[in-house]
Amino acid sequence: GDSVTQMEGPVTLSEEAFLTINCTYTATGYPSLFWYVQYPGEGLQLLLKATKADDKGSNKGFEATYRKETTSFHLEKGSVQVSDSAVYFCALTEAGNNRKLIWGLGTSLAVNP
Amino acid sequence: EAQVTQNPRYLITVTGKKLTVTCSQNMNHEYMSWYRQDPGLGLRQIYYSMNVEVTDKGDVPEGYKVSRKEKRNFPLILESPSPNQTSLYFCASTAYPGQPNTEAFFGQGTRLTVV
Repeated sequence: GDSVTQMEGPVTLSEEAFLTINCTYTATGYPSLFWYVQYPGEGLQLLLKATKADDKGSNKGFEATYRKETTSFHLEKGSVQVSDSAVYFCALTEAGNNRKLIWGLGTSLAVNP
Repeated sequence: EAQVTQNPRYLITVTGKKLTVTCSQNMNHEYMSWYRQDPGLGLRQIYYSMNVEVTDKGDVPEGYKVSRKEKRNFPLILESPSPNQTSLYFCASTAYPGQPNTEAFFGQGTRLTVV
């Protein structure tokens, strides 16, 4: 079945450092890809998404490009802030009627001042 | 404000005592689902509902029930909770279930402990 693999954390960076969180997937068909973020004590919220090959999703300085040839959707940010400290989840939506999200295990990011 | 509201946020209960976690959304979404989040296992879907009176099992439905009598509400019922159901639970809703690129909105989560 479909699956998502994320790099393991935790990731610890200093403020203004460059961030990459790797995400690769396996899927039949053409899934939509998402990054969700979970801030401490809160639910998940959509960070960005891409729906077809070569699409780039972007939001709040974060970017990710849907690479079908490498089945990847890596999350990047050029300069992280303390407020970016959170858990980041890569996910895809299966084809078919069930809008189930298939999740990576999440990557915890801590940004130090 | 568009939101998904879960209650309670925290719950400690004893084995075998029936409980219900409520979920309500104000976005008129057709699709709703429940996930549990466990360390090392990520989020797994418990049940989902495509519309009123239409529910189906997700990946880990054992020990849970759901109902969808109204579009806005999708309660999760544990008839006889057991310690292995200790987890963080999320309710989510999505518009247009036929379009896989639409965003899912999540509640703030319910942390359940069964002793």
